[in-house]
Amino acid sequence: AQTVTQSQPEMSVQEAETVTLSCTYDTSENNYYLFWYKQPPSRQMILVIRQEAYKQQNATENRFSVNFQKAAKSFSLKISDSQLGDTAMYFCALAGNNRKLIWGLGTSLAVNP
Amino acid sequence: DVKVTQSSRYLVKRTGEKVFLECVQDMDHENMFWYRQDPGLGLRLIYFSYDVKMKEKGDIPEGYSVSREKKERFSLILESASTNQTSMYLCASRPQGGLAPWWFGEGSWLTVV
Repeated sequence: AQTVTQSQPEMSVQEAETVTLSCTYDTSENNYYLFWYKQPPSRQMILVIRQEAYKQQNATENRFSVNFQKAAKSFSLKISDSQLGDTAMYFCALAGNNRKLIWGLGTSLAVNP
Repeated sequence: DVKVTQSSRYLVKRTGEKVFLECVQDMDHENMFWYRQDPGLGLRLIYFSYDVKMKEKGDIPEGYSVSREKKERFSLILESASTNQTSMYLCASRPQGGLAPWWFGEGSWLTVV
């Protein structure tokens, strides 16, 4: 079975600082895809960043980047220069070949002024 | 950007009522999904559809059914609403293709009294 684990239920960071959210996963598939989604208080689920498992290079989207360690099955999200608008629930998710998205339970991130 | 529209943001229904939650996407996506989101349980897949008139059970289909008569519309039906179906319901759509993201609607808060 595929699983996604986010070990940090809550985190906080000061505005303008850097924070890293952890995600580990388990899958027996060779090709899969990993995603980070953000859910702000408005509840709209928004894609933050995505990564293909067979690509070694870590994905980057502006202030958001990932550290993808395939052997360790780790997919952490780094947010640089944190902004108040980054306050949200962050979900790590794994997609394999069965069209389903397996979700972690989320990390609640608070950015403090 | 992709637009996924859920017809109702907030609903209050009585136990035993039949409830329809509608979802429409405007990007001709093949795949559509219904999730429910509960505190501490994350997102759980109820049903998904990968083509018109096709449907597959997710992880928690009991008490729900779905309908997909047109490609752009995916309806979730609660045949006889119960209080344990009080939840946030999220609809998503996605084109074919491994790295294609799931696009989400704004969610529907359903309270069954």
